[in-house]
Amino acid sequence: RKEVEQDPGPFNVPEGATVAFNCTYSNSASQSFFWYRQDCRKEPKLLMSVYSSGNEDGRFTAQLNRASQYISLLIRDSKLSDSATYLCVVREGDSWGKLQFGAGTQVVVTP
Amino acid sequence: GAGVSQSPRYKVAKRGQDVALRCDPISGHVSLFWYQQALGQGPEFLTYFQNEAQLDKSGLPSDRFFAERPEGSVSTLKIQRTQQEDSAVYLCASSLKGVAGARSSTDTQYFGPGTRLTVL
Repeated sequence: RKEVEQDPGPFNVPEGATVAFNCTYSNSASQSFFWYRQDCRKEPKLLMSVYSSGNEDGRFTAQLNRASQYISLLIRDSKLSDSATYLCVVREGDSWGKLQFGAGTQVVVTP
Repeated sequence: GAGVSQSPRYKVAKRGQDVALRCDPISGHVSLFWYQQALGQGPEFLTYFQNEAQLDKSGLPSDRFFAERPEGSVSTLKIQRTQQEDSAVYLCASSLKGVAGARSSTDTQYFGPGTRLTVL
């Protein structure tokens, strides 16, 4: 079983709509959580960190549920440029900072 | 400023060939990571350097994989006797600080564009 599991999608979203998706992680000792964005044939780029209290960055909202070991990302007012693969990422303690990635959730925003 | 750069961007190798992949981290960054990303998957950790010291190589899939960072800046990932299953994108990431002990860093990792390796 993979450390970080995600629904691969694709999530087909009309422009302007809201889309939300989750990931689950298996290691309860995980310390830090992130969403990275990866465009086709490009490198992953940090979208946002995820904090226990939940956090927003513009149209993006991330939530962390430590008890159930899942992380969510919600995108409001979707733009065509939001089309990408969203990677759920976990960093464990005592791990030299290495990142554990999910396989990604593909989002396709359509006009 | 300049980000993480990697070369070559694309490499085609015949099975059994040796390859060397280069990573130039952001100047001054202490930590350097190598990841392998197979098609349709997320990146998987290979190895970690803090300056010139290789502190974690637990993700290297076999003894055909070797990485070095002799002067604490540029790093090279070498794969000997390449196999078809080595075909993947190899990503390098760097972050500013090192980590005391094995405690987890809080630094952001900045990724290079990757080297796409195809083994025929």
